[in-house]
Amino acid sequence: GAVVSQHPSWVICKSGTSVKIECRSLDFQATTMFWYRQFPKQSLMLMATSNEGSKATYEQGVEKDKFLINHASLTLSTLTVTSAHPEDSSFYICSAIRTTNEQFFGPGTRLTVL
Amino acid sequence: GENVEQHPSTLSVQEGDSAVIKCTYSDSASNYFPWYKQELGKRPQLIIDIRSNVGEKKDQRIAVTLNKTAKHFSLHITETQPEDSAVYFCAATVYSSASKIIFGSGTRLSIRP
Repeated sequence: GAVVSQHPSWVICKSGTSVKIECRSLDFQATTMFWYRQFPKQSLMLMATSNEGSKATYEQGVEKDKFLINHASLTLSTLTVTSAHPEDSSFYICSAIRTTNEQFFGPGTRLTVL
Repeated sequence: GENVEQHPSTLSVQEGDSAVIKCTYSDSASNYFPWYKQELGKRPQLIIDIRSNVGEKKDQRIAVTLNKTAKHFSLHITETQPEDSAVYFCAATVYSSASKIIFGSGTRLSIRP
């Protein structure tokens, strides 16, 4: 099966700092990746669609200048949370699409902003 | 855009009984409906899916039904076991190379021993 990894799996940072999360498709190329945010006991909310070699498409209400997405290669997309605040604390999950429509999810990154 | 509603938000059933989770979607263009199981702190895992050209699909104790006209789809788990306890999400999307998936709000299923 297709494998998607995320790094780091968890991170704790101080308010005002920036945090970068990596999403990698390990055994397939993914032209499209998605970034989700999940607050405790809530559903996965799509933040943005990341396309290799082009700008990400952000969902309504998601600040593009705060959540920077870079999809520089067919196997790597990064999400940078800039000037993180406690309200940004959440579980961030990426997913990647292979040739079929099935999405393969990463294991998630738990971000805690103090 | 697509909107997916899911009910109930919590469900508790006796071990061995059946569990049913229901979802509705709004966009008639959606034609692919995956169901995911998520355990605490882990990634969602696809457990079953259905495309709009079929009305029902079954995989051992899990089945999904789809009513395109009513824009309803449901997950049925029979002979529930303790390991079925988790949060279940329905979702809807258009089956193509890069369509985003819209998730329902989730159902927390608890199996009572």
